Amino acid sequence: GAGVSQSPRYKVAKRGQDVALRCDPISGHVSLFWYQQALGQGPEFLTYFQNEAQLDKSGLPSDRFFAERPEGSVSTLKIQRTQQEDSAVYLCASSLGLAGGETQYFGPGTRLLVL
Amino acid sequence: AQSVAQPEDQVNVAEGNPLTVKCTYSVSGNPYLFWYVQYPNRGLQFLLKYITGDNLVKGSYGFEAEFNKSQTSFHLKKPSALVSDSALYFCAVRPLSSASKIIFGSGTRLSIRP
Repeated sequence: GAGVSQSPRYKVAKRGQDVALRCDPISGHVSLFWYQQALGQGPEFLTYFQNEAQLDKSGLPSDRFFAERPEGSVSTLKIQRTQQEDSAVYLCASSLGLAGGETQYFGPGTRLLVL
Repeated sequence: AQSVAQPEDQVNVAEGNPLTVKCTYSVSGNPYLFWYVQYPNRGLQFLLKYITGDNLVKGSYGFEAEFNKSQTSFHLKKPSALVSDSALYFCAVRPLSSASKIIFGSGTRLSIRP
């Protein structure tokens, strides 16, 4: 079956430009997560959706970052007025249910480079 | 503060030898514990997890991990390493107090020489 997909795989943006990153979770998965992975580091949590509800956005680094999942499936992470420090790989993950022990399945990521 | 430590940036092992990738954590209560592997230009792939029960967990590709509550560790092991095991390995924990957030370690690069 299809896994988590993300697009684009690579994005180069000029500083100050807005970008939108898309995530298609595994069909039927209730939970969706966004992570940011800086070079040489482990992923860091950004935000979490349960269906269309954004239940935790404590990891979003600034108000330039905004995520949505309006119909409870596809999600978009938007970064406004990009800065060089936003350069990272953005990973999306989904899990079937709500239990804490549920496995999160990750997409291939979007590598964002801000010049 | 809740955290995950992977004390070794790199582990080098000869093919056929046993391997261990270390992980310790600092969270309140008994967390859920995970290991993921990352190959170049690819997302994280799930290897195994500990939820409850037997402290020795078996996962994909012959890997296993042992949960040690007293030492707050969850080391990844494999009895006989393959060159194809060379990759970046991440330990992760999900505190019981968290409805969502997984905390990842900084990763350990495993290099298996022929």
